[in-house]
This record gives sequence, C-alpha cells and structure tokens, in this order.
Amino acid sequence: RKEVEQDPGPFNVPEGATVAFNCTYSNSASQSFFWYRQDCRKEPKLLMSVYSSGNEDGRFTAQLNRASQYISLLIRDSKLSDSATYLCVVRADSWGKLQFGAGTQVVVTP
Amino acid sequence: SAVISQKPSRDICQRGTSLTIQCQVDSQVTMMFWYRQQPGQSLTLIATANQGSEATYESGFVIDKFPISRPNLTFSTLTVSNMSPEDSSIYLCSVSWGTGELFFGEGSRLTVL
Repeated sequence: RKEVEQDPGPFNVPEGATVAFNCTYSNSASQSFFWYRQDCRKEPKLLMSVYSSGNEDGRFTAQLNRASQYISLLIRDSKLSDSATYLCVVRADSWGKLQFGAGTQVVVTP
Repeated sequence: SAVISQKPSRDICQRGTSLTIQCQVDSQVTMMFWYRQQPGQSLTLIATANQGSEATYESGFVIDKFPISRPNLTFSTLTVSNMSPEDSSIYLCSVSWGTGELFFGEGSRLTVL
C-alpha cells in the first residue's frame, strides 16, 4: 500500500464550478500536511499547508480528518488557471521526510 | 523563498555515460535534497545532500549510482552514473529551511537512449 494515495483524475471542471478531492495517508503518526501544485512540465510549488482546524486561502480550502486519515482540497469558482496537478504531501514528524502522492489532475474547461 | 537554478535543464544522453546536474541557490539553506520524478509518478526522494559530508541515501538509491556533492550551503551536484534508459526522468533539486516547506528547482529532464 502506498503511503500517500490520490485519485489521479483527471477531474474535468467547468469554469466557475467547485471541485474537491481527497488524499489518504497510511501513517497515523503523520504530523504535517501540505498541498503542492505542479503545472505541466514545471516544478512543484507549495499551494498551502493543511492545519488541524482546516484553513482557507481565497478560493482554496483544505481540511484534515485525522480519524479517517485523509486531507481534502476544495477549489471554489474554478479558473482556467487552476488547471494543474495537485500533489498531496505528508510528513511523519518534525524531521521525517516528505511523502508525495502521485497527484490529482484538474482540468478546468471554458 | 529562494531562487534555485538547475542545469542542465534537459539533456539527451547515451547509455553507459554519466551526467552531472548542478543546483545553485541564491542564499544559504539548511537542507538540500534531490528528487526524481518519472513520468506519471510521484516525486521520489533520492538523497539528502549534507554539507561537508556524505549524502544520506534513501532505500533503493546508492552512492555509486548517484554520487552527490555539497561543498557549501548554496551548491550541490547530483551525478547519474552509467546511465540506462530506466534513468530517464526529471531530477529535481529542492531546499528547505526546516519549516516543512520545500522549494524546488525547475528540474533537469534527462532522456537516456
């Protein structure tokens, strides 16, 4: 079983719609959680950290469910520029290495 | 954040040869890492580049195949030795100041014929 699993998609989303997807992790001791964004043929870039209480950054909302061991990302009012692969990243402890999911592809269409 | 420059950005190499990828950061960083991303796959950590000492390799990666140098706090190299087509991948340098956030270079796209 992979340590971090994501639905690869693609999620085809009409412009202006809302899309949400999850990521599950296997290590219950995981401490830190992140969403990274990777555009086609580009390097990954941090989108947002995921806090226990959940957090929102503009149109993006991230949630953590420790009991079920998953994190989620919701994108509201999707823009064409939101088309990308979203990588779920999990770290076991303060010094543990980051585990990357394979990514969820989102395609926003006009 | 930091400006992370990797070169070459891409290369096409013959099997059996070696390629050295350079990573230059515009400020001193605590931690430097080398990742590999094969097509359609997640990022896989190859090793942590330690300043002034041998790199720390992850399971499945060895120094003879992927020698790494880090002579100072702003520069590192990764060599892919005795290449085979299976080594075709994107190799990414990344840095961290220990906060958990990683910053990546633009990657080096390697194709081995």
